[in-house]
Amino acid sequence: AAGVIQSPRHLIKEKRETATLKCYPIPRHDTVYWYQQGPGQDPQFLISFYEKMQSDKGSIPDRFSAQQFSDYHSELNMSSLELGDSALYFCASSLGAGELFFGEGSRLTVL
Amino acid sequence: QQQVKQSPQSLIVQKGGISIINCAYENTAFDYFPWYQQFPGKGPALLIAIRPDVSEKKEGRFTISFNKSAKQFSLHIMDSQPGDSATYFCAASIGDFNKFYFGSGTKLNVKP
Repeated sequence: AAGVIQSPRHLIKEKRETATLKCYPIPRHDTVYWYQQGPGQDPQFLISFYEKMQSDKGSIPDRFSAQQFSDYHSELNMSSLELGDSALYFCASSLGAGELFFGEGSRLTVL
Repeated sequence: QQQVKQSPQSLIVQKGGISIINCAYENTAFDYFPWYQQFPGKGPALLIAIRPDVSEKKEGRFTISFNKSAKQFSLHIMDSQPGDSATYFCAASIGDFNKFYFGSGTKLNVKP
């Protein structure tokens, strides 16, 4: 069965650089979520989209932005990267409020 | 502040034993309580979930016990197996939304 696809899986950036993470939800899923998981931490909700509109917002820094495109894939853009942004970024998708399926994550390392 | 408090942080259990992980919450508006299992390098995967209108839910070797008055819920893994070794997160959400507040996680190690 198709799962949530995230790219890239690993990304290394310098401080103050910009990074873009991509997420391709499970086919026919209309809702996408982004979570950030720091080393040894629990996942923290960042933002979600339903039918290409932002549906909820969590602890997402102003330096980050995200959107969901017409094909339902989503991109998380992170600018002015800081050391503390180093984390695993998970995308998850669902059909409406149904079961949430997580991708395998994108590991961002900021040097 | 952590909306959902989870304990213990780590747990070692012998094969065949019972693993018990506990979570507590304060926000009485929470009405959906899932447990997620995460293996290293993988995303969390839904294990089992419960709503506050029932006190217990069992799926195979996994059972959630829910105590609404105490605002606590726990995961019991019966006949624990080495393949169960993973990090377990409890979570809570409000309404029909997947905006979860996760617990801090429990790293379970089942010894052969």
